[in-house]
Amino acid sequence: EIVMTQTPLSLPVTPGEPASIFCRSSQSLLDSNNGNTYVDWFLQRPGQSPQLLIYTLTNRASGVSDRFSGSGSGTDFTLKISRVEADDVGVYYCMQRKELPLTFGGGTKVDIK
Amino acid sequence: QITLKESGPTLVKPTQTLTLTCTFSGFSLTTRGVGVGWIRQPPGKALSWLALIYWNDDKRYSPSLKHRLSVTKDSSKNQVVLTMTNMDPVDTGTYFCARMGYYPFDYWGQGALVTVSS
Repeated sequence: EIVMTQTPLSLPVTPGEPASIFCRSSQSLLDSNNGNTYVDWFLQRPGQSPQLLIYTLTNRASGVSDRFSGSGSGTDFTLKISRVEADDVGVYYCMQRKELPLTFGGGTKVDIK
Repeated sequence: QITLKESGPTLVKPTQTLTLTCTFSGFSLTTRGVGVGWIRQPPGKALSWLALIYWNDDKRYSPSLKHRLSVTKDSSKNQVVLTMTNMDPVDTGTYFCARMGYYPFDYWGQGALVTVSS
């Protein structure tokens, strides 16, 4: 199975400042048949269910702020928050769906400094 | 409006079988490409995928748990049922169902906390 490794484990952030979360996969998530890279990002706010932020590497889900962006290629991926807000706190997960079993990263906990 | 909600026991004994129901609205599991997945989360830990069932009754399972899992659907009732046999305390956690379609896991249920204890 594809292993997803996230760094850092914990990320204290300052409101208004940018923040980046990294995810590495044990195999390439690029589908050479269609050019899509199957990595997605979720945010789980405290006490809530996860919500989809970014799908297929770079696409923001409906209603997601343009402060969030996804990038990367092959096996290395980044979720960037351009200007952190208080509502962005929670645990962020990357997930791969290049192949089954679907696998998630271990999570990055973001909180306010 | 799309909603999903998990229901089932909050407490099961070791070796018992867990049955969870995901009741959804706002979409149909007869629509081509649509599926419902199950994901669990031990307390304070990361998400872990368990199973998927698609509109055409294609079923996929986590290889490590495949021998214990079963997923079925009743499209007329808008329900998906997950069964997990031989429950153990390490299976304690919150179990989520979520819609899978063109967008991956774009809608989630609130989660059902299941404790395995004698």
